[in-house]
Amino acid sequence: EPEVTQTPSHQVTQMGQEVILRCVPISNHLYFYWYRQILGQKVEFLVSFYNNEISEKSEIFDDQFSVERPDGSNFTLKIRSTKLEDSAMYFCASTSQTPLGGIQYFGAGTRLSVL
Amino acid sequence: DAKTTQPPSMDCAEGRAANLPCNHSTISGNEYVYWYRQIHSQGPQYIIHGLKNNETNEMASLIITEDRKSSTLILPHATLRDTAVYYCIVRGTISSGSARQLTFGSGTQLTVLP
Repeated sequence: EPEVTQTPSHQVTQMGQEVILRCVPISNHLYFYWYRQILGQKVEFLVSFYNNEISEKSEIFDDQFSVERPDGSNFTLKIRSTKLEDSAMYFCASTSQTPLGGIQYFGAGTRLSVL
Repeated sequence: DAKTTQPPSMDCAEGRAANLPCNHSTISGNEYVYWYRQIHSQGPQYIIHGLKNNETNEMASLIITEDRKSSTLILPHATLRDTAVYYCIVRGTISSGSARQLTFGSGTQLTVLP
């Protein structure tokens, strides 16, 4: 069964450092998403990406964040200068466009710990 | 997207059916009801979705009331591995170029008891 793959599973970084979280979406999918979940809180939408550009973004997705699809398979989330409050699980998701509205499939997540 | 209301927690005995309710009284005609679950801090897992007819797959059944204002997710024979947070999400269809996100609430913590 095809799946969304995220690497690394756990990333530890120092405050102020840049991190790149990587995702390989399901191969024939067209829409890509990043969500995050701070420990004990809800899953929150960050950004969606379609046709090589950002489709929607939340208030959380400020200038410190960027997304890229550098090749035909990877989808990355970059945090330029990490803050303590960026510590969270980050989930990548992808979906194809179907008449039924599109099921989003999620990866297992990357746990980001900012020290 | 319409707001949903779910009980914060439920228990179910192993082997019995788990019935998880969801209220979505402001749902509009083109909005689907999706169910996801999250085990510990793993990525949300898709379970099932529907528009107005009842749906069944290998994981669960989804019963949507005729007025579409509420729905019930049924896990027919719950196991310990079904212990998770279950999310009911209402979302409109994707139109071309519109990559609608999912809005997660707090969900229902289902605990399956041995």
